[in-house]
Amino acid sequence: DAGVIQSPRHEVTEMGQEVTLRCKPISGHNSLFWYRQTMMRGLELLIYFNNNVPIDDSGMPEDRFSAKMPNASFSTLKIQPSEPRDSAVYFCASRPPQGTTYNEQFFGPGTRLTVL
Amino acid sequence: SQQGEEDPQALSIQEGENATMNCSYKTSINNLQWYRQNSGRGLVHLILIRSNEREKHSGRLRVTLDTSKKSSSLLITASRAADTASYFCATDGRENTDKLIFGTGTRLQVFP
Repeated sequence: DAGVIQSPRHEVTEMGQEVTLRCKPISGHNSLFWYRQTMMRGLELLIYFNNNVPIDDSGMPEDRFSAKMPNASFSTLKIQPSEPRDSAVYFCASRPPQGTTYNEQFFGPGTRLTVL
Repeated sequence: SQQGEEDPQALSIQEGENATMNCSYKTSINNLQWYRQNSGRGLVHLILIRSNEREKHSGRLRVTLDTSKKSSSLLITASRAADTASYFCATDGRENTDKLIFGTGTRLQVFP
């Protein structure tokens, strides 16, 4: 199993540009989570999906952030327009159907975003 | 705000010593998990303890849970240099087990 795949691994962009982060969850997992990690705020949940449906986006900081999951094997997190304070490491995590494990999440390697 | 607060924030020990990290949380939970994060990597699940359990072991890891004090501890015995990483506790909520709230983490440095 390849694990959760995220791309790109590193992204450097200029303020005002659109940024799209991509995630491929583990096959068979039906929940997908997007997190942001910074030194100041730690690891924050932005949004999560169950069976491709967004369940809770209360962690999305602003309307500049949006996330989609068009199918079970792909999700995107988009920031438009990007700002320097969006600089962080963004993680995607997936989870098997409830009942198969006790809520363990499997994390991707993250995307390090730098907005200049 | 994060539910889990961990202490110490940083811990340095020699190989072979034991490392103990503590986590406190605020609300009732179903499960508490511990994750490890190596520098520049994603988090990796280590162990889960359910709210009706008090202690659990996995290899060199020992986790305790005290729901009356809303606290947990992670003990790594006979530490190795490869244990150098950040360790996070994560709790779910009684009403919503989907969401995990992560603690602030403990940075562990094990010197050879």
